[in-house]
Amino acid sequence: GEDVEQSLFLSVREGDSSVINCTYTDSSSTYLYWYKQEPGAGLQLLTYIFSNMDMKQDQRLTVLLNKKDKHLSLRIADTQTGDSAIYFCAGNSGYALNFGKGTSLLVTP
Amino acid sequence: GAGVSQSPSNKVTEKGKDVELRCDPISGHTALYWYRQSLGQGLEFLIYFQGNSAPDKSGLPSDRFSAERTGGSVSTLTIQRTQQEDSAVYLCASSSSGLPEQYFGPGTRLTVT
Repeated sequence: GEDVEQSLFLSVREGDSSVINCTYTDSSSTYLYWYKQEPGAGLQLLTYIFSNMDMKQDQRLTVLLNKKDKHLSLRIADTQTGDSAIYFCAGNSGYALNFGKGTSLLVTP
Repeated sequence: GAGVSQSPSNKVTEKGKDVELRCDPISGHTALYWYRQSLGQGLEFLIYFQGNSAPDKSGLPSDRFSAERTGGSVSTLTIQRTQQEDSAVYLCASSSSGLPEQYFGPGTRLTVT
């Protein structure tokens, strides 16, 4: 199966930018996704990028994709305490999604 | 509009009992997925339904797991003779045909004692 790797933990100060990184092995993934999960909740789709794109920006979120290196990143500008959550990257394998283990983002005042 | 809904939100059962978990997808979404989230394994794909086609059951961990989707809408995931290792959060997602976004429900937390 596909491996999707993420760092486990990130801590940032409120107002700073956060960058969450992900590497994946399946070069056949057509789409790459970022999901957010708050405690006790399901997965919220934040954004996704088509594999032939390098960058996608959506308000405070910027996704960068380096297909050669199989590296995906999510930048959150002006991080707020409400952004504290677990962030999962995923790539599709056909229609199923393969998820990383998640990065826990802690935003401190 | 309404999102994906799942019931129950929590289920505690004794080892060996059968359980049924329900998913109600977003109206009009033809594709429905079940995933499992556990501490040890992370998020795993279980099964996929698309319209009236035969489901892809390739992710089901054992023959104790089964799922059906009636009328192309509501789906039920059944786990027979539950084991402690079945304890996890079971997540359902749906998507519109041909579109890549998968929208998840809040999940059912299953605890097998």
